[in-house]
Amino acid sequence: EAQVTQNPRYLITVTGKKLTVTCSQNMNHEYMSWYRQDPGLGLRQIYYSMNVEVTDKGDVPEGYKVSRKEKRNFPLILESPSPNQTSLYFCASSFSGRGSGELFFGEGSRLTVL
Amino acid sequence: AQSVTQLGSHVSVSEGALVLLRCNYSSSVPPYLFWYVQYPNQGLQLLLKYTSAATLVKGINGFEAEFKKSETSFHLTKPSAHMSDAAEYFCAVYNSNSGYALNFGKGTSLLVTP
Repeated sequence: EAQVTQNPRYLITVTGKKLTVTCSQNMNHEYMSWYRQDPGLGLRQIYYSMNVEVTDKGDVPEGYKVSRKEKRNFPLILESPSPNQTSLYFCASSFSGRGSGELFFGEGSRLTVL
Repeated sequence: AQSVTQLGSHVSVSEGALVLLRCNYSSSVPPYLFWYVQYPNQGLQLLLKYTSAATLVKGINGFEAEFKKSETSFHLTKPSAHMSDAAEYFCAVYNSNSGYALNFGKGTSLLVTP
């Protein structure tokens, strides 16, 4: 089954404790992206990757890091989480990231930073 | 940069009534436009997309949207609402300027009452 898998789905952590949210897709997609969803703000892009070893900032990259060492994986790293990073995070992938390609989304990871 | 505006953060309809969710876009070039749906505790799922092939686009679950250039609109409709249509709906436009991302609207929550 074609899917984007995120882990963990739910996480409560404390300020400053490094964490990683993993994302994996099994569709051989070149493009992967991270979004955060906040009430009243919709979805905002954090980082994206056009292919292996190619990453770039989205609209709200501060406080986050990513890496793309393998085509299927695109982890999101919070080196020192803060309460304003409490949010619902989505990983998404697409065949090429350009034009009319459909974005496939994971089920989301709800993060709470105390 | 391309952007979309969704009019109405909450829409309530009776079961069997017409569903109309409004989306206006801003783009200096012919846009690629999308509607996504998010059911509770799930990721986003593509409903339909406009890629200039036809102005009336049919999607899944009986939804359709009409691209109107003169009105810069891409409203989502369904003739008869079902209880299972209750969800969050997002309009999005492909952004070729930044992150090859989709720029999402802030979402419209659809409530269907018996």
